[in-house]
Amino acid sequence: QKEVEQDPGPLSVPEGAIVSLNCTYSNSAFQYFMWYRQYSRKGPELLMYTYSSGNKEDGRFTAQVDKSSKYISLFIRDSQPSDSATYLCALSRREYGNKLVFGAGTILRVKS
Amino acid sequence: KAGVTQTPRYLIKTRGQQVTLSCSPISGHRSVSWYQQTPGQGLQFLFEYFSETQRNKGNFPGRFSGRQFSNSRSEMNVSTLELGDSALYLCASSPAGEPNEQFFGPGTRLTVL
Repeated sequence: QKEVEQDPGPLSVPEGAIVSLNCTYSNSAFQYFMWYRQYSRKGPELLMYTYSSGNKEDGRFTAQVDKSSKYISLFIRDSQPSDSATYLCALSRREYGNKLVFGAGTILRVKS
Repeated sequence: KAGVTQTPRYLIKTRGQQVTLSCSPISGHRSVSWYQQTPGQGLQFLFEYFSETQRNKGNFPGRFSGRQFSNSRSEMNVSTLELGDSALYLCASSPAGEPNEQFFGPGTRLTVL
């Protein structure tokens, strides 16, 4: 079983829709949770970083962490065609230093 | 502030050769991590260097090695290349040694023929 599970999609939505992207993890020791966006042929770009349960909002993006369920989510409001990319969740724990454990990534396509 | 830079951006090698990839972190960042990205395995952690010391290592064979210089720049070396080493190699920098925001470079795409 992988440490982090993420549905690879693709997920196709119309422009303006609310998008929900999710990851589950098996090790309750994970403490740090990140979401990255990766466009084709580019490096991952950090979208959200959090180390606690609850919600964190940044513009159209909201990250949600539920440690009791070992479940994290990224919501994108008013999705745009420019949001079309692969979204990767990444987790870490203090003992790992800066080692990140990534989900497989979800391909998102926003249609205009 | 300039982002993470990686050189070269593209590389083609043949089996059995060796390759060295370079990464320059964001100014002031002391931690550099390397990742391999393939369609089948996704993003996998190779190793992390902090203040010229390897702090963490992933589950890769000894053919994969790295080092970090006093200016925090890092190099990664792969010896005796295999076809399966074809991948996007990504470097990420972070300001500190503890879990922190990490910023990725554009990657080096290595093709092994």
